[in-house]
Amino acid sequence: EDQVTQSPEALRLQEGESSSLNCSYTVSGLRGLFWYRQDPGKGPEFLFTLYSAGEEKEKERLKATLTKKESFLHITAPKPEDSATYLCAVHEQGGSQGNLIFGKGTKLSVKP
Amino acid sequence: GAGVSQSPSNKVTEKGKDVELRCDPISGHTALYWYRQSLGQGLEFLIYFQGNSAPDKSGLPSDRFSAERTGGSVSTLTIQRTQQEDSAVYLCASSLVGTGYEQYFGPGTRLTVT
Repeated sequence: EDQVTQSPEALRLQEGESSSLNCSYTVSGLRGLFWYRQDPGKGPEFLFTLYSAGEEKEKERLKATLTKKESFLHITAPKPEDSATYLCAVHEQGGSQGNLIFGKGTKLSVKP
Repeated sequence: GAGVSQSPSNKVTEKGKDVELRCDPISGHTALYWYRQSLGQGLEFLIYFQGNSAPDKSGLPSDRFSAERTGGSVSTLTIQRTQQEDSAVYLCASSLVGTGYEQYFGPGTRLTVT
């Protein structure tokens, strides 16, 4: 069973159509949850870190929220340049200090 | 400032050959990580270096994989006797400290084993 599950696998939106991406996790204790954006042929680009339930972070059209079991990445009025794969990763308490556990990502396409 | 750099960007090798992949972390970052990304799969942790501590090798898939970090900076990931299943994008990341702080990734090396 995957410890980090992202849904949907793919999402197609029209420009301006707001939506949310989901990241659910089943690790026993959370030290941190990370959101990354990955463009084709490039490495992941850091977006947000969330540490505790109820925490929220915002950057431009993106807002990340965290509960005890999942995180949401809300995209408000997306633009075509927001098209990318969005990755969620968790850092587990008691796990390897260096090991982020990644989900498989949600591929977002925003059409003009 | 300069980000994480990796070389080569692409590597095609024959099955059974050895390959070396290089990573230059962000200056001042004490922690360095290697991940592997296969098509349709999430990023898979390979190895982690933090300062002068012994590396965490718990993610290395077999003894054909090894890595070293010289002088607390540049790292080399070596794959011996490459197999077709080793084909993937190998990503390096660095961070200020090694306890889950934000990891900054390089562009990756795409390895193809023929």
